[in-house]
Amino acid sequence: DTGVSQDPRHKITKRGQNVTFRCDPISEHNRLYWYRQTLGQGPEFLTYFQNEAQLEKSRLLSDRFSAERPKGSFSTLEIQRTEQGDSAMYLCASSLDYGQVNEKLFFGSGTQLSVL
Amino acid sequence: KNEVEQSPQNLTAQEGEFITINCSYSVGISALHWLQQHPGGGIVSLFMLSSGKKKHGRVIATINIQEKHSSLHITASHPRDSAVYICAVTPPHNTDKLIFGTGTRLQVFP
Repeated sequence: DTGVSQDPRHKITKRGQNVTFRCDPISEHNRLYWYRQTLGQGPEFLTYFQNEAQLEKSRLLSDRFSAERPKGSFSTLEIQRTEQGDSAMYLCASSLDYGQVNEKLFFGSGTQLSVL
Repeated sequence: KNEVEQSPQNLTAQEGEFITINCSYSVGISALHWLQQHPGGGIVSLFMLSSGKKKHGRVIATINIQEKHSSLHITASHPRDSAVYICAVTPPHNTDKLIFGTGTRLQVFP
């Protein structure tokens, strides 16, 4: 399978715990995006990477959230001291940027987080 | 008011019917995307268009830049078309993220 993969698919945690999600993009893709989606809503942008550089962070990404892409390949999204409001589907997407705009995005299946 | 509005929010159809989902946006864009989201969260990009029309199999997407409106049409609908269809736009000066609509939930019954 050469698509975008995310791990885990589901995560249940207690409020106050830390959680970490992983995203493996399509191997040649240099752009990687994180989105968050709550029930009944469209995805909301969180952050994105161009190779290993984190180029933009949404205001939605509080100080409890941190994302990394250390080698420009896989990425991790960590949420510290989780709150019930963090419960959502966390989606990862990747694309290949070769100097043109609007490259097609490929999404993973997401990690469903439930904070109890 | 959302920058990207879709209608209807929910749509049911009998197998074989012609389906239309609409998307209107209030911002300038450089491109518009139609995405299909299946139960469990998986999202597939169907189309990316900035003008005119694109067709893939039974699915056609059109866009009218002047009217800031796009439509997604499915001909001869099938139960496997049941999914949430999401419209998203790319602003012209910030091409690195998408603005999403809330989606249209389509259910096609046999």
